[in-house]
Amino acid sequence: NAGVTQTPKFRVLKTGQSMTLLCAQDMNHEYMYWYRQDPGMGLRLIHYSVGEGTTAKGEVPDGYNVSRLKKQNFLLGLESAAPSQTSVYFCASSYLRGGSPLHFGNGTRLTVT
Amino acid sequence: TQLLEQSPQFLSIQEGENLTVYCNSSSVFSSLQWYRQEPGEGPVLLVTVVTGGEVKKLKRLTFQFGDARKDSSLHITAAQPGDTGLYLCADYIADNAGGTSYGKLTFGQGTILTVHP
Repeated sequence: NAGVTQTPKFRVLKTGQSMTLLCAQDMNHEYMYWYRQDPGMGLRLIHYSVGEGTTAKGEVPDGYNVSRLKKQNFLLGLESAAPSQTSVYFCASSYLRGGSPLHFGNGTRLTVT
Repeated sequence: TQLLEQSPQFLSIQEGENLTVYCNSSSVFSSLQWYRQEPGEGPVLLVTVVTGGEVKKLKRLTFQFGDARKDSSLHITAAQPGDTGLYLCADYIADNAGGTSYGKLTFGQGTILTVHP
């Protein structure tokens, strides 16, 4: 049982390049989330999904797009990377129930030069 | 917008010492969760507290929830190097859209704890 798996673990991009981060969960969770973590700012929600085919904006959605074509996968895309998007990105999933704990992946460290 | 403030931001102690970290909210918590994050990994849930005045224990960790449900504390007794990590508190913010209730977890900035052998 792998839980939440994120790929890749590390990535370096040049300004203006694009990339997609992949998140996969094998717990049959309805909810999935993308957070970014920056020093001194905790975890900030980028986008989330409450089920297959649905997505919604979080606190800091600008510059990112997401898709949830399959229940187990949640993709985060950067169309034109900027240095301000240098961060550690975490994917998480949870059951469809208020107050459910989040299960996190181990993160993707992205550097944009 | 609900704000979660954690203190202290950094804590460096020796093995065997006791410590307390705090989480305060600008509004009443709905369902407070505490997570621990170790370097290079994602956060892992420690405990969920829901009821005002609630106290939960997890081995050497004691979690308290304020009576008014606007503050919480985490006390560690006889800290060990394995307790080193980032401690995060988080609360669910109910968000309604199209008649369905969605839950979004909001995190505090965290307390970075270092326990020296």
